[in-house]
Amino acid sequence: SSELTQDPAVSVALGQTVRITCQGDSLRSYYASWYQQKPGQAPVLVIYGKNNRPSGIPDRFSGSSSGNTASLTITGAQAEDEADYYCNSRDSSGNHLYVFGTGTKVTVL
Amino acid sequence: QLQLQESGSGLVKPSQTLSLTCAVSGGSISSGGYSWSWIRQPPGKGLEWIGYIYHSGSTYYNPSLKSRVTISVDRSKNQFSLKLSSVTAADTAVYYCARVCDFWSGSVSYYYMDVWGKGTTVTVSS
Repeated sequence: SSELTQDPAVSVALGQTVRITCQGDSLRSYYASWYQQKPGQAPVLVIYGKNNRPSGIPDRFSGSSSGNTASLTITGAQAEDEADYYCNSRDSSGNHLYVFGTGTKVTVL
Repeated sequence: QLQLQESGSGLVKPSQTLSLTCAVSGGSISSGGYSWSWIRQPPGKGLEWIGYIYHSGSTYYNPSLKSRVTISVDRSKNQFSLKLSSVTAADTAVYYCARVCDFWSGSVSYYYMDVWGKGTTVTVSS
């Protein structure tokens, strides 16, 4: 099965911009979806497809993709954005198989 | 608003079968062409995709768990279930159920989990 690799941790100053990346071979052909998870809570979908936000997700969250890398950008990070972020996409080993990224801990300073 | 709620045995003995149910409320499990998934998270670790049941009834599983996993839907009860056999301590985790949007739009494939349950903790221990 393929893997989706994320940086373990990133930090951002309050109000600044942070980009979280997800690398994997399958991302050359398929979009990733992105999930935010705060301690003790279930994940929440923040981005799907090319750059789609579910209702209720602030527009400071955006997604992009290039080559084998998908990115989640938080523009003007807020204290409440401190969380773990996971990407998810198709496993390149077969149809209808999916995998999560390794996760990135975002700290807002 | 659609809500999902996991339930089942919180403590399972090694070698036994873990059984969980996800109750769907606020909507029908049969409407909208949605699929239904299970995800787990071991203590202090990341998310692991277990598998899902497509709206057609086909099932797809993580290859590392495929020999032990069964996901099924009970439309009469508006719920879906997870069974994981021959469990070991490595199966100790928080288990989440989620609604899956899995479709093509033109040449673009979409797959995402837009509604999640709160999760239920399962401990494997004698």
